[in-house]
Amino acid sequence: QVQLQESGPGLVKPSETLSLTCSVSGGSVSSDYWSWIRQPPGKGLEWIGDIYYRGNTNYNPSLKSRVAILVDPSKNQFSLRLSSVTAADTAVYYCAREYCSGGGCYLDHWGQGTLVTVSS
Amino acid sequence: EIVLTQSPGTLSLSPGERATLSCRASQSVSSNYLAWYQQKPGQPPRLLIYSASSRATGIPDRFSGSGSGTDFTLTISRLEPEDFAVYYCQQYGTFFGGGTKVEIK
Repeated sequence: QVQLQESGPGLVKPSETLSLTCSVSGGSVSSDYWSWIRQPPGKGLEWIGDIYYRGNTNYNPSLKSRVAILVDPSKNQFSLRLSSVTAADTAVYYCAREYCSGGGCYLDHWGQGTLVTVSS
Repeated sequence: EIVLTQSPGTLSLSPGERATLSCRASQSVSSNYLAWYQQKPGQPPRLLIYSASSRATGIPDRFSGSGSGTDFTLTISRLEPEDFAVYYCQQYGTFFGGGTKVEIK
């Protein structure tokens, strides 16, 4: 059973860079796609982007200029960096495995999520 | 970018009733690309349906998905107390709809 766990600072100052890591167990980041999704308090889900183990990335156009997703097969982890954060980036951040089969892709395993607050 | 619009925003029903949730895409979507998720307060989303109509592992058969092109539907045949939650559709592992909250009437 694939398990994912997000980790990183819960508080980030405005204009700084948010950095989160997702540790994967029961599976390998050297296969499939791996995704980041966020959810502002009381709001819906927003897809941030994903990465294939070979380094291919896809990003939400609305965040593309500020986002980087990286993968580290040696640690079986992948990470999210979001620069120049504002209060609007306050959200629960989830990592997930994106399983692609039969021409489609979907998020079949999720981390529990971590709340990141942007505040001075 | 394909925009997914879910309706209604809130559905007020009683246990035992049938729930019908809609997800409409701004342009045609391959059925293989459409998934549905359930989210309860304080929990991550859970995959319910993939490829528009295939149930994920462990999902009860009261949940069913259908549709093609731009119109997709999630149906819960008889609502159980644990089914009251927010439901999201998603296309190709990327963009989500705005969600439908199924609440107890």
